[in-house]
Amino acid sequence: NAGVTQTPKFQVLKTGQSMTLQCAQDMNHNSMYWYRQDPGMGLRLIYYSASEGTTDKGEVPNGYNVSRLNKREFSLRLESAAPSQTSVYFCASSAGQGRTGNTIYFGEGSWLTVV
Amino acid sequence: AQSVTQPDIHITVSEGASLELRCNYSYGATPYLFWYVQSPGQGLQLLLKYFSGDTLVQGIKGFEAEFKRSQSSFNLRKPSVHWSDAAEYFCAVGAGWNQGGKLIFGQGTELSVKP
Repeated sequence: NAGVTQTPKFQVLKTGQSMTLQCAQDMNHNSMYWYRQDPGMGLRLIYYSASEGTTDKGEVPNGYNVSRLNKREFSLRLESAAPSQTSVYFCASSAGQGRTGNTIYFGEGSWLTVV
Repeated sequence: AQSVTQPDIHITVSEGASLELRCNYSYGATPYLFWYVQSPGQGLQLLLKYFSGDTLVQGIKGFEAEFKRSQSSFNLRKPSVHWSDAAEYFCAVGAGWNQGGKLIFGQGTELSVKP
């Protein structure tokens, strides 16, 4: 059971470099999310996509862009990385709206360091 | 706006002792509530969830949680803690039908287990 798969798992970037985090889910879910996790701050939502073709800002969208490539894939791009973007990034998915849809399934995380 | 507060940043309990992790939420309607667990270096695993009905919810690994609307709380409990329960625990509230099913997380509670 693959579930939610994100790559890369580890990455070191220099300030100003760009990179894309890839995420794919095989559960036919409608909604996908990108969260970042920082010590003492829990998980904060960066962007989400409620359905294919739509994206919306979350709590901390500045410095990021996203693309919902198709129903399976949702990528997160850092155009010009900054040290403040050093974090652990989690991709997640859910069936979306509805009584049982809100259970969110997480990938294993991507550790990003910006030096 | 929805929010979640976990008042305890870090808790230490002895193996075999009981555990209660606190969670308070702010939400205008009937909430969808979740507890997730994260082991070091891992992603988040769903422990249990509350959507409606019985206010005492059973989850995996012997955990349970009780929804108390009057106190806006959803505390996590376990009668006897095992050393393998040492991890970080996150409470979350679902943001609603028109927001793609996204979750708002608390800051997390780190659990240490003494032998």
